[in-house]
Amino acid sequence: DAGVIQSPRHEVTEMGQEVTLRCKPISGHNSLFWYRQTMMRGLELLIYFNNNVPIDDSGMPEDRFSAKMPNASFSTLKIQPSEPRDSAVYFCASSPRTGKGYTFGSGTRLTVV
Amino acid sequence: GENVEQHPSTLSVQEGDSAVIKCTYSDSASNYFPWYKQELGKGPQLIIDIRSNVGEKKDQRIAVTLNKTAKHFSLHITETQPEDSAVYFCAATPNTGNQFYFGTGTSLTVIP
Repeated sequence: DAGVIQSPRHEVTEMGQEVTLRCKPISGHNSLFWYRQTMMRGLELLIYFNNNVPIDDSGMPEDRFSAKMPNASFSTLKIQPSEPRDSAVYFCASSPRTGKGYTFGSGTRLTVV
Repeated sequence: GENVEQHPSTLSVQEGDSAVIKCTYSDSASNYFPWYKQELGKGPQLIIDIRSNVGEKKDQRIAVTLNKTAKHFSLHITETQPEDSAVYFCAATPNTGNQFYFGTGTSLTVIP
């Protein structure tokens, strides 16, 4: 099992540009989560999906953020337009319906200049 | 919703000593409590977990205890080693398929 796969690992972009982060969950996991981690705010849940359906997006900062899960093996988090305050490490995690907890990906370090 | 508090925020111990990290939660419906270790530049990794029908669980040098009445749980690391240095997060949830509520993390430094 390759675990949760995120791409890219690092992204540097200019303010105003569109950024797309990608995630491939573990096969067979029913739930997928997007987190943002910063020194100031720690781990923040942005949105999560169960069986590809968004369940709670109350953590999405504003309309500039959007997430999709078109199928069980792929999800994207998009920021448009990006701003310097979006700079953070973004983690994707997946979990089965029952049993063990999340498995996190290695994260995408986003820098908006 | 659930509120998880974690203490201390930083902890330094001498190699070989024990380290204890404590968390409290607010929602009595929470029944699953995982602990994650995050090394620099990596994602959090599950190291041990406990369910509400168990009071204690041990895995080699790591143990977790749970007091449901008081709504607190703790991570114990014995015979600490430099490779234990990392940030540790506790979490609580009523359902592993739903969101986890994370503590704010404890930065553990083991001094050789």
